Amino acid sequence: KNQVEQSPQSLIILEGKNCTLQCNYTVSPFSNLRWYKQDTGRGPVSLTIMTFSENTKSNGRYTATLDADTKQSSLHITASQLSDSASYICVVSDRGSTLGRLYFGRGTQLTVWP
Amino acid sequence: EADIYQTPRYLVIGTGKKITLECSQTMGHDKMYWYQQDPGMELHLIHYSYGVNSTEKGDLSSESTVSRIRTEHFPLTLESARPSHTSQYLCASSSDGRTSYNEQFFGPGTRLTVL
Repeated sequence: KNQVEQSPQSLIILEGKNCTLQCNYTVSPFSNLRWYKQDTGRGPVSLTIMTFSENTKSNGRYTATLDADTKQSSLHITASQLSDSASYICVVSDRGSTLGRLYFGRGTQLTVWP
Repeated sequence: EADIYQTPRYLVIGTGKKITLECSQTMGHDKMYWYQQDPGMELHLIHYSYGVNSTEKGDLSSESTVSRIRTEHFPLTLESARPSHTSQYLCASSSDGRTSYNEQFFGPGTRLTVL
């Protein structure tokens, strides 16, 4: 069964600190993995997309890693800001259908305190 | 920011009412999607479309229906709303899936509450 599991479920950090969010998946055949940021009451916004051959990708203070062998990914946030408070969703796409089906994790709810 | 719009953003209605959630995109994307999301839970695909006059049901069974008469427009309709339909509904679109990315762009969502 294709699944995406994220940890921790929620996280509270102080402004300026770093944090790392985890994602494990069992989706096969694998196409790509994305990290989305979803603010409360808004739609998800893409942060990074990585294919099988990529093992790291950065977008400003966000750095995602991918280990396709162990089927694990992480999202590292550097020097957190209050605006980073949101849900971070790991999404894996398969290449077994023309639709490019997406499998969503439940997200990690990050809260940044001043 | 992606050019995909949803209206209304918030809707509170009584049981038995018919409602239509609007979704429009100006990117010329062929594929469009509707997802349902409950608080703290993952997004579930309820409908998708490959293009005009194409509609398919997603992974999660839904009593809603969709139509795709124009490329840019993908409305979702509930003929008779019930409290169990209370949820957030997210619309998304993507370009042709021949590339490996097939990135989906999401609208802001409609928060539906049925009393």
